[in-house]
Amino acid sequence: QSVLTQPPSASGTPGQRVIISCSGSSSNIGNNPVNWYQQFPGTAPKLLIFSNSERPSGVPDRFSGSKSGTSASLAISGLQSEDEADYYCASWDDKLSGSCVFGSGTTVTVL
Amino acid sequence: QAQLLQSGAEVKKPGASVTISCRASGYNFPSHIIHWVRQAPGQGLEWIGWIRTDNGRAKASQQFQGRVTITRDTPATTVYMDLISLRSEDSAVYYCARDRDANWPTNWFDPWGQGTLVTVSS
Repeated sequence: QSVLTQPPSASGTPGQRVIISCSGSSSNIGNNPVNWYQQFPGTAPKLLIFSNSERPSGVPDRFSGSKSGTSASLAISGLQSEDEADYYCASWDDKLSGSCVFGSGTTVTVL
Repeated sequence: QAQLLQSGAEVKKPGASVTISCRASGYNFPSHIIHWVRQAPGQGLEWIGWIRTDNGRAKASQQFQGRVTITRDTPATTVYMDLISLRSEDSAVYYCARDRDANWPTNWFDPWGQGTLVTVSS
């Protein structure tokens, strides 16, 4: 049972905008930054968004992140076929002497 | 650039223990915390713990405390994770990942190792 809640799936046609939500609580998202990871089948996750809305070098600007209160979201604008992947949110949780918590993951399908 | 190279797949019997290594290259090893994360087949990511590579201080998630030990060999720029009393539910791909910070763990992981598959089966 993941501490952060994400929808299991999201989909869109090429060019559409897809938004993935990530819901937490005051001990994690409400008090700590959110990062997002992209994972293709059989490969390691890759850092996609950090500090709620920052993009590492090389990540296309069609990926954007935001945070409000105890929730965060990842938006993919101009959806492309190569965006088909699993997406995970992550935050730090101040309970239990501190630990990293992940979302349950969202599979994005390009129709 | 920074890279993490993990040891190969392991097959273990229930009750046994496993050690996975993660060798870092391309950056100053003591300047970044290393984390361990696992992913069971078809499941999501689960954080295991971290180690400060400068002083060796390590901490595991409450779920793994008592069963996991994380250590490092500074001259070899390698981090190790030992997991004991294996059960079938421990079958997963185990990843190491570099934090951007040296002193305080965060949820910023980049890069990741390629993953090590651990299969626990009788």
